[in-house]
Amino acid sequence: NAGVMQNPRHLVRRRGQEARLRCSPMKGHSHVYWYRQLPEEGLKFMVYLQKENIIDESGMPKERFSAEFPKEGPSILRIQQVVRGDSAAYFCASSPLGQGGLNYGYTFGSGTRLTVV
Amino acid sequence: AQRVTQPEKLLSVFKGAPVELKCNYSYSGSPELFWYVQYSRQRLQLLLRHISRESIKGFTADLNKGETSFHLKKPFAQEEDSAMYYCALSGGGSNYKLTFGKGTLLTVNP
Repeated sequence: NAGVMQNPRHLVRRRGQEARLRCSPMKGHSHVYWYRQLPEEGLKFMVYLQKENIIDESGMPKERFSAEFPKEGPSILRIQQVVRGDSAAYFCASSPLGQGGLNYGYTFGSGTRLTVV
Repeated sequence: AQRVTQPEKLLSVFKGAPVELKCNYSYSGSPELFWYVQYSRQRLQLLLRHISRESIKGFTADLNKGETSFHLKKPFAQEEDSAMYYCALSGGGSNYKLTFGKGTLLTVNP
């Protein structure tokens, strides 16, 4: 089991471009969570998705950010028209459960480091 | 609102010395507390959680509700303990969402 796979590991975008971050959950996990870590900060929850459903997007910025987890393929975090303030590490986690997932195999990926120039 | 505070950004000890990484939280209900560790060039991984009352790699942490603390302790630090440590909280019935502190970078010197 390769664990939670995130790619790319590093992504550089110019201001105004789009960034697409991918997360493949562990085998058998159908719940995906995205977190953002700004410089000098702790990780902050963004969104929780199940296949084809957004369950909790309370931490997502209202504009330019979107997330999906299609029936087939990885979960995608999409940032449109990136700005310098979007530069951060974006982490994905997955679990086999939603409620209670923290106590049952909640596993993080290695993260994608986005730099906006 | 829930908040996790790790007052020390950096902590440096010598091998064999005791180590304590501090964590205080703010939450009105009954939280679940976790410690995560990130070794150099590795992914974030769970070290321990308070409900398990376990000891992992010699580390322990006790939840003190009176002081709203969940400090991580180890009696004899090893060089391989050098890493970034994050305290995290889950509460409000959403047992899938973590609130993290800013982390403490522990360096254990030979």
